[in-house]
Amino acid sequence: DVKVTQSSRYLVKRTGEKVFLECVQDMDHENMFWYRQDPGLGLRLIYFSYDVKMKEKGDIPEGYSVSREKKERFSLILESASTNQTSMYLCASSLLGAHYEQYFGPGTRLTVT
Amino acid sequence: AQSVAQPEDQVNVAEGNPLTVKCTYSVSGNPYLFWYVQYPNRGLQFLLKYITGDNLVKGSYGFEAEFNKSQTSFHLKKPSALVSDSALYFCAVRDWWGSSNTGKLIFGQGTTLQVKP
Repeated sequence: DVKVTQSSRYLVKRTGEKVFLECVQDMDHENMFWYRQDPGLGLRLIYFSYDVKMKEKGDIPEGYSVSREKKERFSLILESASTNQTSMYLCASSLLGAHYEQYFGPGTRLTVT
Repeated sequence: AQSVAQPEDQVNVAEGNPLTVKCTYSVSGNPYLFWYVQYPNRGLQFLLKYITGDNLVKGSYGFEAEFNKSQTSFHLKKPSALVSDSALYFCAVRDWWGSSNTGKLIFGQGTTLQVKP
Protein backbone atom coordinates (compact mmCIF):
# COMPACT_ATOMS: atom_id res chain seq x y z
CA ASP A 1 0.00 0.00 0.00
CA VAL A 2 1.12 3.51 -0.77
CA LYS A 3 1.85 5.52 2.30
CA VAL A 4 2.06 9.29 2.35
CA THR A 5 2.93 10.83 5.68
CA GLN A 6 2.91 14.44 6.80
CA SER A 7 5.05 15.73 9.64
CA SER A 8 2.26 17.20 11.75
CA ARG A 9 -1.51 16.76 12.04
CA TYR A 10 -2.04 20.08 13.80
CA LEU A 11 0.19 23.13 13.86
CA VAL A 12 -0.23 26.56 15.44
CA LYS A 13 2.11 29.34 14.38
CA ARG A 14 2.31 33.09 14.84
CA THR A 15 2.07 35.68 12.09
CA GLY A 16 5.47 36.25 10.49
CA GLU A 17 6.96 32.90 11.46
CA LYS A 18 8.60 30.67 8.89
CA VAL A 19 6.72 27.39 8.65
CA PHE A 20 7.89 24.07 7.23
CA LEU A 21 5.46 21.30 6.27
CA GLU A 22 7.06 18.00 5.40
CA CYS A 23 5.68 15.21 3.26
CA VAL A 24 7.21 11.77 2.68
CA GLN A 25 6.01 8.99 0.38
CA ASP A 26 7.31 5.44 0.30
CA MET A 27 6.30 4.23 -3.16
CA ASP A 28 8.96 5.79 -5.37
CA HIS A 29 6.45 8.12 -7.00
CA GLU A 30 7.79 10.75 -9.38
CA ASN A 31 5.00 13.28 -8.83
CA MET A 32 4.32 15.06 -5.57
CA PHE A 33 1.77 17.77 -4.88
CA TRP A 34 0.81 20.30 -2.21
CA TYR A 35 -2.79 21.46 -1.92
CA ARG A 36 -4.72 23.59 0.48
CA GLN A 37 -8.30 22.75 1.32
CA ASP A 38 -10.80 25.38 2.40
CA PRO A 39 -14.56 24.91 2.91
CA GLY A 40 -16.53 25.56 -0.25
CA LEU A 41 -13.39 25.93 -2.37
CA GLY A 42 -12.38 22.30 -2.71
CA LEU A 43 -8.68 21.57 -3.18
CA ARG A 44 -6.43 24.16 -4.74
CA LEU A 45 -2.98 23.27 -6.02
CA ILE A 46 -0.13 25.27 -4.52
CA TYR A 47 2.95 23.62 -6.08
CA PHE A 48 3.87 20.32 -7.59
CA SER A 49 7.05 18.48 -8.49
CA TYR A 50 7.62 15.79 -11.11
CA ASP A 51 11.23 15.05 -10.27
CA VAL A 52 13.94 15.80 -7.73
CA LYS A 53 14.80 19.52 -7.68
CA MET A 54 12.00 20.21 -10.20
CA LYS A 55 9.00 22.28 -9.21
CA GLU A 56 6.13 24.05 -10.90
CA LYS A 57 3.66 26.58 -9.63
CA GLY A 58 0.08 25.57 -9.18
CA ASP A 59 -2.93 27.82 -9.00
CA ILE A 60 -2.13 29.64 -5.74
CA PRO A 61 1.68 29.75 -5.21
CA GLU A 62 1.87 33.23 -3.71
CA GLY A 63 3.33 33.21 -0.21
CA TYR A 64 4.64 29.66 -0.54
CA SER A 65 7.78 27.92 -1.73
CA VAL A 66 8.75 24.26 -1.99
CA SER A 67 11.80 22.05 -1.87
CA ARG A 68 12.42 18.58 -3.24
CA GLU A 69 15.96 17.43 -2.56
CA LYS A 70 15.11 13.72 -2.42
CA LYS A 71 12.56 11.79 -4.44
CA GLU A 72 10.54 10.70 -1.42
CA ARG A 73 10.35 14.07 0.32
CA PHE A 74 8.51 17.26 -0.66
CA SER A 75 8.50 20.25 1.66
CA LEU A 76 6.16 23.23 1.67
CA ILE A 77 7.54 26.45 3.14
CA LEU A 78 5.60 29.47 4.29
CA GLU A 79 8.27 32.17 4.32
CA SER A 80 6.29 34.53 6.56
CA ALA A 81 3.04 33.03 7.76
CA SER A 82 -0.09 35.14 7.59
CA THR A 83 -3.56 34.58 9.02
CA ASN A 84 -5.00 33.99 5.54
CA GLN A 85 -2.81 30.91 5.30
CA THR A 86 -4.78 29.23 8.05
CA SER A 87 -6.02 26.12 6.28
CA MET A 88 -5.82 22.36 5.85
CA TYR A 89 -2.74 21.38 3.82
CA LEU A 90 -2.73 18.11 1.93
CA CYS A 91 0.21 16.40 0.30
CA ALA A 92 -0.21 13.83 -2.47
CA SER A 93 1.94 11.69 -4.71
CA SER A 94 1.46 9.70 -7.91
CA LEU A 95 3.31 7.86 -10.61
CA LEU A 96 4.33 9.84 -13.68
CA GLY A 97 1.54 9.74 -16.23
CA ALA A 98 -1.82 11.29 -16.88
CA HIS A 99 -3.96 8.31 -15.91
CA TYR A 100 -2.57 7.55 -12.48
CA GLU A 101 -4.48 8.45 -9.34
CA GLN A 102 -3.00 10.52 -6.56
CA TYR A 103 -2.46 9.21 -3.04
CA PHE A 104 -2.98 11.63 -0.19
CA GLY A 105 -1.50 12.11 3.24
CA PRO A 106 -3.68 12.71 6.31
CA GLY A 107 -3.31 16.48 6.13
CA THR A 108 -1.91 19.20 8.37
CA ARG A 109 -4.34 21.67 9.90
CA LEU A 110 -2.37 24.89 10.22
CA THR A 111 -3.61 27.79 12.31
CA VAL A 112 -1.79 31.11 12.07
CA THR A 113 -2.59 33.53 14.90
CA ALA B 1 -11.12 26.84 -19.42
CA GLN B 2 -11.01 23.42 -17.86
CA SER B 3 -13.24 22.90 -14.87
CA VAL B 4 -15.27 20.48 -12.83
CA ALA B 5 -18.51 21.27 -11.03
CA GLN B 6 -20.36 19.53 -8.25
CA PRO B 7 -23.74 21.25 -8.25
CA GLU B 8 -24.87 20.07 -4.81
CA ASP B 9 -23.18 21.14 -1.60
CA GLN B 10 -24.98 18.39 0.31
CA VAL B 11 -26.89 15.24 -0.53
CA ASN B 12 -29.12 13.57 2.04
CA VAL B 13 -30.28 9.98 1.66
CA ALA B 14 -31.79 7.33 3.90
CA GLU B 15 -29.81 4.20 4.64
CA GLY B 16 -30.62 1.44 2.16
CA ASN B 17 -31.70 3.86 -0.57
CA PRO B 18 -29.67 4.45 -3.74
CA LEU B 19 -27.46 7.50 -3.80
CA THR B 20 -26.14 9.76 -6.54
CA VAL B 21 -23.52 12.47 -6.22
CA LYS B 22 -23.34 14.63 -9.33
CA CYS B 23 -20.32 15.87 -11.26
CA THR B 24 -20.00 17.68 -14.58
CA TYR B 25 -16.79 18.62 -16.33
CA SER B 26 -15.29 20.75 -19.07
CA VAL B 27 -11.90 19.79 -20.55
CA SER B 28 -9.96 20.46 -23.73
CA GLY B 29 -8.47 16.98 -24.04
CA ASN B 30 -9.58 13.45 -23.18
CA PRO B 31 -11.69 13.46 -19.99
CA TYR B 32 -9.76 11.48 -17.40
CA LEU B 33 -12.08 11.58 -14.38
CA PHE B 34 -11.64 10.62 -10.73
CA TRP B 35 -13.68 10.35 -7.54
CA TYR B 36 -12.22 10.69 -4.06
CA VAL B 37 -13.77 10.43 -0.59
CA GLN B 38 -12.70 12.25 2.55
CA TYR B 39 -13.76 11.03 5.98
CA PRO B 40 -13.64 13.54 8.87
CA ASN B 41 -10.13 14.71 9.75
CA ARG B 42 -8.58 12.44 7.13
CA GLY B 43 -6.87 12.82 3.79
CA LEU B 44 -8.56 11.95 0.51
CA GLN B 45 -8.96 8.33 -0.54
CA PHE B 46 -9.19 7.28 -4.17
CA LEU B 47 -12.51 5.62 -5.10
CA LEU B 48 -12.48 5.10 -8.86
CA LYS B 49 -11.48 6.57 -12.20
CA TYR B 50 -12.54 6.68 -15.82
CA ILE B 51 -9.78 6.73 -18.41
CA THR B 52 -11.26 4.92 -21.37
CA GLY B 53 -13.50 1.96 -22.18
CA ASP B 54 -16.72 0.96 -20.46
CA ASN B 55 -18.81 3.95 -19.40
CA LEU B 56 -19.73 2.29 -16.10
CA VAL B 57 -16.77 2.19 -13.76
CA LYS B 58 -16.75 0.18 -10.54
CA GLY B 59 -14.67 1.20 -7.56
CA SER B 60 -14.08 0.74 -3.85
CA TYR B 61 -16.76 0.24 -1.16
CA GLY B 62 -19.46 -0.68 -3.69
CA PHE B 63 -19.37 2.66 -5.49
CA GLU B 64 -19.65 3.06 -9.23
CA ALA B 65 -19.74 5.98 -11.62
CA GLU B 66 -21.23 6.49 -15.04
CA PHE B 67 -19.36 8.44 -17.69
CA ASN B 68 -21.68 10.30 -20.07
CA LYS B 69 -19.82 12.08 -22.85
CA SER B 70 -22.83 13.84 -24.36
CA GLN B 71 -23.83 15.32 -21.01
CA THR B 72 -20.19 15.80 -19.88
CA SER B 73 -21.06 14.14 -16.58
CA PHE B 74 -19.49 11.58 -14.28
CA HIS B 75 -22.00 10.92 -11.50
CA LEU B 76 -21.08 8.74 -8.53
CA LYS B 77 -23.62 6.11 -7.54
CA LYS B 78 -24.26 3.37 -5.04
CA PRO B 79 -27.29 1.05 -5.09
CA SER B 80 -27.75 0.94 -1.30
CA ALA B 81 -26.32 3.63 0.97
CA LEU B 82 -24.74 2.93 4.36
CA VAL B 83 -24.47 5.32 7.30
CA SER B 84 -20.71 4.80 7.08
CA ASP B 85 -20.77 6.31 3.56
CA SER B 86 -21.35 9.72 5.14
CA ALA B 87 -18.35 11.79 4.08
CA LEU B 88 -17.15 14.54 1.75
CA TYR B 89 -16.85 13.49 -1.91
CA PHE B 90 -14.69 15.14 -4.53
CA CYS B 91 -14.81 14.79 -8.29
CA ALA B 92 -11.64 15.62 -10.23
CA VAL B 93 -10.61 15.88 -13.87
CA ARG B 94 -7.20 15.62 -15.44
CA ASP B 95 -5.69 19.04 -16.19
CA TRP B 96 -4.27 18.98 -19.71
CA TRP B 97 -2.57 22.37 -19.46
CA GLY B 98 1.20 22.03 -19.78
CA SER B 99 3.10 18.75 -19.53
CA SER B 100 1.07 15.64 -20.22
CA ASN B 101 2.85 13.56 -17.61
CA THR B 102 2.39 15.56 -14.46
CA GLY B 103 -0.94 14.05 -13.50
CA LYS B 104 -2.31 17.38 -12.34
CA LEU B 105 -5.95 17.31 -11.33
CA ILE B 106 -8.65 19.94 -11.08
CA PHE B 107 -10.99 19.29 -8.15
CA GLY B 108 -14.61 20.19 -7.64
CA GLN B 109 -15.65 21.99 -4.49
CA GLY B 110 -16.91 18.82 -2.85
CA THR B 111 -20.30 17.36 -1.90
CA THR B 112 -21.16 16.31 1.62
CA LEU B 113 -23.09 13.06 1.68
CA GLN B 114 -25.25 12.50 4.74
CA VAL B 115 -26.79 9.05 5.13
CA LYS B 116 -29.39 8.84 7.89
CA PRO B 117 -30.36 5.58 9.62
